[in-house]
This record gives sequence, structure tokens and C-alpha cells, in this order.
Amino acid sequence: GQNIDQPTEMTATEGAIVQINCTYQTSGFNGLFWYQQHAGEAPTFLSYNVLDGLEEKGRFSSFLSRSKGYSYLLLKELQMKDSASYLCAVKQDDSWGKLQFGAGTQVVVTP
Amino acid sequence: EAGVTQFPSHSVIEKGQTVTLRCDPISGHDNLYWYRRVMGKEIKFLLHFVKESKQDESGMPNNRFLAERTGGTYSTLKVQPAELEDSGVYFCASSQGTGSGTEAFFGQGTRLTVV
Repeated sequence: GQNIDQPTEMTATEGAIVQINCTYQTSGFNGLFWYQQHAGEAPTFLSYNVLDGLEEKGRFSSFLSRSKGYSYLLLKELQMKDSASYLCAVKQDDSWGKLQFGAGTQVVVTP
Repeated sequence: EAGVTQFPSHSVIEKGQTVTLRCDPISGHDNLYWYRRVMGKEIKFLLHFVKESKQDESGMPNNRFLAERTGGTYSTLKVQPAELEDSGVYFCASSQGTGSGTEAFFGQGTRLTVV
């Protein structure tokens, strides 16, 4: 089986930086995705990593270390609208695109 | 362009009844996935269609669940008869391909409550 672990909840203030960690154990790793989900809405794609290193997209960055089975999502200059659940998901080789999800990290941004 | 749409958004049914959930994927997406999130747990894979064919149904909980995708367009997921443990949010996702970096687009989900 697979284990994908991420913290349950994190709280940060507006304007700050928050780092959400995700660790995974899988065979045949074929990419890691981060999704954002606001309550009652569809998960929306944020980032994708398949090679080691940092991918930056505006205020959001994602890092991957395949040897450590570790990723993080970095949210900078936090805004109130960033309050949401952040989902780490792993894709395996030969999985025909299906994703294995962590339980999600609820980020609460306070004024 | 319309995203992935799911109907209904909420459904409350009694144990033993039947419910059918519908998913309309993004036009042109051959791959359609069903996922489920039960309270307090992670989103879990149920099954995957490529066009009208079931590619992988390893996540289907039991034979009370039946998924179809006739014609390779929209899909339905029927639960018959529903049990209390079937309560949760059912998500549908679609994608053009299945490669490493291919993004899956999700619907907003159907919240099913079995009472």
C-alpha cells in the first residue's frame, strides 16, 4: 500500500509564509501533485513535480525530493482567500493516471 | 469552456434506497475517474474509464456500486441499495491523457448522505 502523510491543520497570519509538508512511500513514483480545495468546491490544480527541485508559480512554490519521498508546498504573502484545504497526491507508474491522495491540510489564514 | 460538472450537488436518501450520481467530463476528455471521500478520510480512487471502457475498477467497494459510461461521454454511478457507510462526497475527474504530468480536472462533488 501507500502512505501519504501531511499535517491536518496549519494556521498563519495574512502576509506570512506557510510551508505544507508531504511525505510519501510508493513504488514506481510518477509525479506528485498539489491541489487546493475550498469548502464545497472542486479541487483545483496548483502544481506538479516529477523531478527533484523547486517549481515556482507566482506566490506558490512546490519542492520535491524523490530520494527522501518528500515534497512541500510553499505559500507566500498569504491572503485570506488562501484559507482552504491543500491536497498532496501521488501518481504511480502504470496507474493510468489515478491519484493517491493524502488526507489534506486545512490552512487557516487569520487577519 | 465548461469544467467537470456533477449532479446532484447534494443527495439525502434512506438506507436501502437507490441513488444515481452523474458526471459530465470536459468535452474531449477520454479519461474519467470517480473518487470518494468519506468523513475524516482521504479522497480515494473508485474507478477509471477510458472512453466507454472500464480501465480500472479496483477501488469499487462492493457490488452495490455500478458505474457506466455509455457512449464514452457522461458517466453515472449508481448505489443500490445504499448503506449508511456509503455517505461521503463523490468526486468525478477527467483528463485528456494519463501521462506523468497530465492534470486531472475535478468536479465539485456530490455530497451523499444515507440516513
